[in-house]
Amino acid sequence: EIVMTQSPVTLSVSPGERATLSCRASQSVSKNLAWYKQRPGQAPSLLIFGASTRATGIPARFSGGGSGTEFTLTISSLESEDFAVYYCQQYNNWPRTFGQGTKVEMK
Amino acid sequence: EVQLLESGGGLVQPGGSLRLSCVASGFPFSSYSMNWVRQAQGKVLQWVSGIGDTGNSKHYTDSVRGRFTVSRDNSRATLYLQMNSLRVDDTAVYFCVRAGSGFYEYWGPGTLVTVSS
Repeated sequence: EIVMTQSPVTLSVSPGERATLSCRASQSVSKNLAWYKQRPGQAPSLLIFGASTRATGIPARFSGGGSGTEFTLTISSLESEDFAVYYCQQYNNWPRTFGQGTKVEMK
Repeated sequence: EVQLLESGGGLVQPGGSLRLSCVASGFPFSSYSMNWVRQAQGKVLQWVSGIGDTGNSKHYTDSVRGRFTVSRDNSRATLYLQMNSLRVDDTAVYFCVRAGSGFYEYWGPGTLVTVSS
């Protein structure tokens, strides 16, 4: 199965600052990569699919990039509701697999 | 508005069984693949099982294959997960998820399954 590795594990950022999260796949997943956000006690919600396409209703401060094995999620200017755990997921191969998550916390 | 609502979770002893249900609304259920994804406390997300729109295509992660069975009733807009021979490491919140083209567009709030003696 494809192993997804996210870095860093924790990212400490101040509101208004930029955050860049990384996701690496153990083999190429083309652009079949999604990002999700999860706040405590809630279900995950889709942010990005196709590596760079924002899901419906997702603000423009979220952007995704990359292809093959290296991907990034950038939040251009953090707002209070953006402090959460972020997961990447590949859907190029079965089984679909998730990264272990990056926690974005307030500095 | 897309809504997914899981039920059927609870406390069960190792070796026991549970059936999870997920009632969908707000979209044409029979047109979408559906999945179950689980998350143990403080752990990462794990895809468990998926079923195609007609129910003819089913997939399972290795650790549940042969123990879990996914099914759907399109007339009732309901997804099911029959879980047999439950183990302690099956303890998790189970999410019902509507799939896009492999990614997970909409998630239910989840139902907690606890396997413990």
